[in-house]
Amino acid sequence: EAGVAQSPRYKIIEKRQSVAFWCNPISGHATLYWYQQILGQGPKLLIQFQNNGVVDDSQLPKDRFSAERLKGVDSTLKIQPAKLEDSAVYLCASSFNWDRQYEQYFGPGTRLTVT
Amino acid sequence: TQLLEQSPQFLSIQEGENLTVYCNSSSVFSSLQWYRQEPGEGPVLLVTVVTGGEVKKLKRLTFQFGDARKDSSLHITAAQPGDTGLYLCAGANQAGTALIFGKGTTLSVSS
Repeated sequence: EAGVAQSPRYKIIEKRQSVAFWCNPISGHATLYWYQQILGQGPKLLIQFQNNGVVDDSQLPKDRFSAERLKGVDSTLKIQPAKLEDSAVYLCASSFNWDRQYEQYFGPGTRLTVT
Repeated sequence: TQLLEQSPQFLSIQEGENLTVYCNSSSVFSSLQWYRQEPGEGPVLLVTVVTGGEVKKLKRLTFQFGDARKDSSLHITAAQPGDTGLYLCAGANQAGTALIFGKGTTLSVSS
């Protein structure tokens, strides 16, 4: 069974530029999560989708971050414009359903550096 | 606000030593999970503890959930270089829909 796929693995941009990350969850998983992991910290949930609907985006900085999961499968996370403090690893995870959040499978992450 | 505090933040030991890392909170969690994350990879689930006082073993790793379900510990016996990584504890948020993570314990085991 294929795991969670993310691309790109690494991205370096200048502040005020825009960037997009892509995630393809495990087949059949209804719930998809985007996390931000700053160096030295644990992952912090940015947004959670159940199929193509948003369950929780309370910690998403909506003035610059956006995410979508239009067909309920893969998802994109966008930052526009990027700030220096956005430098982090962006992790995508999926679970079979919203009540199986304790069985999340993570992708390898995208390491973003904003200069 | 639900917070999970992990200690120690960093741990550097020799192969063969034993160690314990802790995950503490003032909040009650319905369950706690432990993950291990290696550099350049996403976290991988090790175990879920659900019942207060529960003890689970995974080879040389022993996980315990506190009686009041507010804390957990991970004990590694005879650590090996392959145990090196970031150990994260996580618990469900109040809505029960997503996970809150601690900051993690970075373990380095040298041979």
